[in-house]
Amino acid sequence: AQSVAQPEDQVNVAEGNPLTVKCTYSVSGNPYLFWYVQYPNRGLQFLLKYITGDNLVKGSYGFEAEFNKSQTSFHLKKPSALVSDSALYFCAVGRYSTLTFGKGTMLLVSP
Amino acid sequence: DTEVTQTPKHLVMGMTNKKSLKCEQHMGHRAMYWYKQKAKKPPELMFVYSYEKLSINESVPSRFSPECPNSSLLNLHLHALQPEDSALYLCASSQGQGRFFGPGTRLTVL
Repeated sequence: AQSVAQPEDQVNVAEGNPLTVKCTYSVSGNPYLFWYVQYPNRGLQFLLKYITGDNLVKGSYGFEAEFNKSQTSFHLKKPSALVSDSALYFCAVGRYSTLTFGKGTMLLVSP
Repeated sequence: DTEVTQTPKHLVMGMTNKKSLKCEQHMGHRAMYWYKQKAKKPPELMFVYSYEKLSINESVPSRFSPECPNSSLLNLHLHALQPEDSALYLCASSQGQGRFFGPGTRLTVL
């Protein structure tokens, strides 16, 4: 069985500050990890993925994520937050037809 | 073309109506999915089609009936829905890892 935990329902950050959205996972074998973002009344947009290789993964819109095998974490980060980054963020783990989502974290960036 | 399209964007239907949701992708992906999403919750998998054959049905009630006419199209036929079926219905496709999601159809059942 595989699972994902996003421990924060909401993250608040001021514009220009760095942001981190946390994700931990549990899976047998090598994890395939993903981050998606959802703006209001929109579908999910792919941000980045980790399959193998470098632990630091760079994605869309200046986001990056760090894979940490010992801590089973895949936290999403951005050096300088924008108000337009405010959205719902989902971490997911899985491969092929099985993709398990975390509960989601709402990111609110204040001006 | 690197997107998944869905029609209609919004749908309001009564409990006795029959309607269909449509999804299309032209990325050559051979797996297509239907998800149901309630507000501020993660998507819940409903159906998976692989090479145009239904491969996963997550115990979805029979009032939801999927159809895959060809490798680019995916339909979800709706009949005798309940108010609790009101949600955002997302289509997705994939080739390998991850998913490409469409914008969704916002369904309201009265």
